[in-house]
Amino acid sequence: GAGVSQSPRYKVAKRGQDVALRCDPISGHVSLFWYQQALGQGPEFLTYFQNEAQLDKSGLPSDRFFAERPEGSVSTLKIQRTQQEDSAVYLCASSLGGSGYEQYFGPGTRLTVT
Amino acid sequence: QQQVKQSPQSLIVQKGGISIINCAYENTAFDYFPWYQQFPGKGPALLIAIRPDVSEKKEGRFTISFNKSAKQFSLHIMDSQPGDSATYFCAASRTGTYKYIFGTGTRLKVLA
Repeated sequence: GAGVSQSPRYKVAKRGQDVALRCDPISGHVSLFWYQQALGQGPEFLTYFQNEAQLDKSGLPSDRFFAERPEGSVSTLKIQRTQQEDSAVYLCASSLGGSGYEQYFGPGTRLTVT
Repeated sequence: QQQVKQSPQSLIVQKGGISIINCAYENTAFDYFPWYQQFPGKGPALLIAIRPDVSEKKEGRFTISFNKSAKQFSLHIMDSQPGDSATYFCAASRTGTYKYIFGTGTRLKVLA
């Protein structure tokens, strides 16, 4: 049906607050990715799920970042004790498979930490 | 070895002209090279992609040229239109992995 959706589209957080960003992938897509896109830069990989299994979290910048996909569908990226350097657009993408399949991106959540 | 270098950072082209964006990579294990188009407030959308077994791929007004020996690939937009004004990202990945390594983006403006 619809493409990848993300909510909220915009989030303003005070430094030190916790935030949760949601991703609804395309129905039936096995793989789910989170990327961080700083202003004027390309997306940078954060983490990858195959169904509910988090197979790679090597791109998460610190232990304040945590992602989950408990039922193999919706995913949440949580950032604890937000810092100003966390301000970025967080993109979610999904694909039918892992390697070799097109990644479909959502519109992103713009996080601003004040 | 994981970098993908993209140039130019910005590009202004007259309507009907050819837009050319270049990317270079270092990791010879990369074997999938997609180009994404991103409009303001939207997520990146796949435009066209190439694998290194071909030197060129064309889809409509969009062409990827690939030079394996030079480890470079480029996007050509023929007959550029104002609606093509967007940010373009090249990317690279390797079979067996799933991470895309993105370039820094090129902001294209096509003047009417």
